[in-house]
Amino acid sequence: DVQLVQSGAEVKKPGESLKISCKGSGYTFTTYWIGWVRQMPGKGLEWMGIIYPGDSDTRYSPSFQGQVTISADRSISTAYLQWSSLKASDTAIYYCARPQYSGYIDAYDIWGQGTMVTVSS
Amino acid sequence: EIVMTQSPATLSVSPGERATLSCRASQSVFSNLAWYQQKPGQAPRLLIYATSTRAAGVPARFSGSGSGTEFTLTISSLQSEDFALYYCQQYNNWPSMYTFGQGTKLEI
Repeated sequence: DVQLVQSGAEVKKPGESLKISCKGSGYTFTTYWIGWVRQMPGKGLEWMGIIYPGDSDTRYSPSFQGQVTISADRSISTAYLQWSSLKASDTAIYYCARPQYSGYIDAYDIWGQGTMVTVSS
Repeated sequence: EIVMTQSPATLSVSPGERATLSCRASQSVFSNLAWYQQKPGQAPRLLIYATSTRAAGVPARFSGSGSGTEFTLTISSLQSEDFALYYCQQYNNWPSMYTFGQGTKLEI
């Protein structure tokens, strides 16, 4: 089965760093873009950015450029989302997602289960 | 950046009735429009892509239409399991890439 499995919930303090992960299985990881989506408590979905693991081409939403870093390790089929200095406003569920078709920017048919990040002093 | 606007924010409908949800793009997204359903505590689920193509396993009561900047998701006869949040999403090449609408809550 094709799936994306995300790392577990995190509780952090403001100013701390964090890296969460999304491991793909059941498909050729390097040939599909992987995107990240934020959902703040009680709010809607926000697209953050995307990476193509085959060549590490990375694009960010203007709203998230400079706020987070997206990366991938092809050797272990894992994408990452990281923060260097968390803020309370980063508290949210973060989803990774994969488009339907290899190599294309397309609708997301495969989603991770989400990672809850809580930032509180 | 392309802005997606959904209406209404909340739609109250009775089981068995038809629901019509709207999504407007600030500029043409051609047919690159998807709809997702999200239930509490769950990840979103792809319902419709390319404006009108149902994803695998999606019941035929879900249909999508539109083009350019105006899109519609119609649920022909609401079932209890259809009451959820619905998001539209445009997907395109750089620089817009992806944008979600703010969502429509479909309630009984």
